[in-house]
Amino acid sequence: GAGVSQSPSNKVTEKGKDVELRCDPISGHTALYWYRQSLGQGLEFLIYFQGNSAPDKSGLPSDRFSAERTGGSVSTLTIQRTQQEDSAVYLCASGPSADTQYFGPGTRLTVL
Amino acid sequence: AQSVAQPEDQVNVAEGNPLTVKCTYSVSGNPYLFWYVQYPNRGLQFLLKYITGDNLVKGSYGFEAEFNKSQTSFHLKKPSALVSDSALYFCAVRFSASKIIFGSGTRLSIRP
Repeated sequence: GAGVSQSPSNKVTEKGKDVELRCDPISGHTALYWYRQSLGQGLEFLIYFQGNSAPDKSGLPSDRFSAERTGGSVSTLTIQRTQQEDSAVYLCASGPSADTQYFGPGTRLTVL
Repeated sequence: AQSVAQPEDQVNVAEGNPLTVKCTYSVSGNPYLFWYVQYPNRGLQFLLKYITGDNLVKGSYGFEAEFNKSQTSFHLKKPSALVSDSALYFCAVRFSASKIIFGSGTRLSIRP
């Protein structure tokens, strides 16, 4: 069956521009996570959605970062006024619960 | 503070030999522990998890991990390594409904 998909796969942007990253989770999965993976680093938790509950945004590094999940399905991570330190691979994962996560291929963001 | 550590950046093993990838954690309460693998140019894949019960957990691709509460460790093991096991391995711990911490990763290299 279809897995988690993310788009775009690669995004190059200029410093100061806004970007939107999209995640299409596996149908029926109520849990959705966003992570950031910088070069040579582990995964950094950004935000967690679970069903209709208020999201856990405690991992977002600054107020330039925001995320939405519409209709309990597709999620969009928005980074405003991008900075070079935002360059990383952004990973989305979904699951039937927080204990089992299926990861997407990621979006590689490069801020020039 | 909650944390997870993978003390080895790289582990090198000859094919056919047993392998161990180390993970230790610091979490209050009972942790949920996970191992994920990231093959080159592919997304993260779930290997195994420990929630409760038997301390020895068996997972995908012949891997297993042993939960040791007294040593706060969850080392990943395989009796006989394959070249195809070469990848980046991440240990993770969940300590709340939403918070998951990933280790920095260990690159496993299996030589023929």
